[in-house]
Amino acid sequence: ETGVTQSPTHLIKTRGQQVTLRCSSQSGHNTVSWYQQALGQGPQFIFQYYREEENGRGNFPPRFSGLQFPNYSSELNVNALELDDSALYLCASSLGGLAGGSKETQYFGPGTRLLVL
Amino acid sequence: DQQVKQNSPSLSVQEGRISILNCDYTNSMFDYFLWYKKYPAEGPTFLISISSIKDKNEDGRFTVFLNKSAKHLSLHIVPSQPGDSAVYFCAAISTGANSKLTFGKGITLSVRP
Repeated sequence: ETGVTQSPTHLIKTRGQQVTLRCSSQSGHNTVSWYQQALGQGPQFIFQYYREEENGRGNFPPRFSGLQFPNYSSELNVNALELDDSALYLCASSLGGLAGGSKETQYFGPGTRLLVL
Repeated sequence: DQQVKQNSPSLSVQEGRISILNCDYTNSMFDYFLWYKKYPAEGPTFLISISSIKDKNEDGRFTVFLNKSAKHLSLHIVPSQPGDSAVYFCAAISTGANSKLTFGKGITLSVRP
C-alpha cells in the first residue's frame, strides 16, 4: 500500500506565472483535499474533490482550481501567482468525503513548498 | 477570523512528565475535533479525535478532553517522550454538506530527555 505522494517537493515561480501541483492519493481512496499552509499558520482548506467532482471549497479565489482524475489522483492549479501564494501546499486523501464521516482518516502527503518571487 | 485558536506557540516539558496542549474554538457549529501531529518535512498525521457528544477520549498515552460550554479542548500526553517532539495542530469540523477541516496555528512541543 503506497501513501500519499506529492510533486514537486519544491518550486520557485515569479509573480504572474501559473503553477500546477500534483498529488497521488493513497490506494483505494476516492477523495482528495488540498490545503495551503503559510509560514507560522495552520493548514487552510482550499477545496476537496470526491469522485472527480468538487465537493466543498474554502475562501480561496477562482484562480485556485483543481482536477481529480479517474484514478483519483489530483492537480491543484494556481493562476496569476501572487507573493502571498508562497506556502506549503498539502494534499490529503481519504475514503468517502468529509460529509461522509471518515473525518479522521485523512492521510496527508509531505507537501509542495512554493516560493513566489 | 481565527475560529480555532492555539494561543501558546510552544511548550517544553521534561521526559516522563505530562504535556498539556490547549485549543479554543469560537464556532458553536463545530461538532468533531481532531489533533494532528507534524514532523518537519512530513505531512500532518492523525493522532486522536473526539465527538462533541463526548467529553473525553483516550488512546494509549494520549487523552483529549472537551469542554463544550467553554469551547475548549486539550490534549494530554503522559508520559511524554522525546519522540513526541513535533508540531501539534488542533482541528475542528462541522459535519454536513461541504464540511471542511479548520486548523489552529499549531503548538511546537519539545520534550527534553
